[in-house]
Amino acid sequence: KQEVTQIPAALSVPEGENLVLNCSFTDSAIYNLQWFRQDPGKGLTSLLLIQSSQREQTSGRLNASLDKSSGRSTLYIAASQPGDSATYLCAVRPEGGSEKLVFGKGTKLTVNP
Amino acid sequence: NAGVTQTPKFQVLKTGQSMTLQCAQDMNHNSMYWYRQDPGMGLRLIYYSASEGTTDKGEVPNGYNVSRLNKREFSLRLESAAPSQTSVYFCASSGQRWLPQHFGDGTRLSIL
Repeated sequence: KQEVTQIPAALSVPEGENLVLNCSFTDSAIYNLQWFRQDPGKGLTSLLLIQSSQREQTSGRLNASLDKSSGRSTLYIAASQPGDSATYLCAVRPEGGSEKLVFGKGTKLTVNP
Repeated sequence: NAGVTQTPKFQVLKTGQSMTLQCAQDMNHNSMYWYRQDPGMGLRLIYYSASEGTTDKGEVPNGYNVSRLNKREFSLRLESAAPSQTSVYFCASSGQRWLPQHFGDGTRLSIL
């Protein structure tokens, strides 16, 4: 059974710091991996999606990497801002035609001014 | 751009009552999904519909039914609500398997 783990569960950093959020998964047979952002009381916003054949994706100050063989992904946030404060979730789509996403429980990020 | 719209946003029910959560997407997506999000459990898939006219069970389908009314709409029904179904429910849609899933803002459901 695929399991997704995100460490740490919570992270507090000063504004301007570069930071890395971690995601690990137990089964390397994945189709793709997606990083989401969730603000309090809101839905999930897709940030980056990495196909299994890709190593990384970038969007602005965000960079996500994928090491499928080791079951790891990282989300790098450069020059963090208070507006980046949110919960970040990663999710994997298993291979084999599954429509299901398996989610981690998220990392709650607080960026202090 | 509305994206994925869920109604209602909040609802309080008594045990045993029934209700339907509505979801509509305007992105012409084939696949639609219902998830629930609980503290400490993360998001779990309840049901999904890979195309109009088809539905399949996800991880936690017991106590729920779904209807894919047309390509735009996918509803979730609780026939006899139980306190264990208190949760935040999210609807999502996706064009193709290799594309991102897009989520609505959720329905916060409390069952007393």
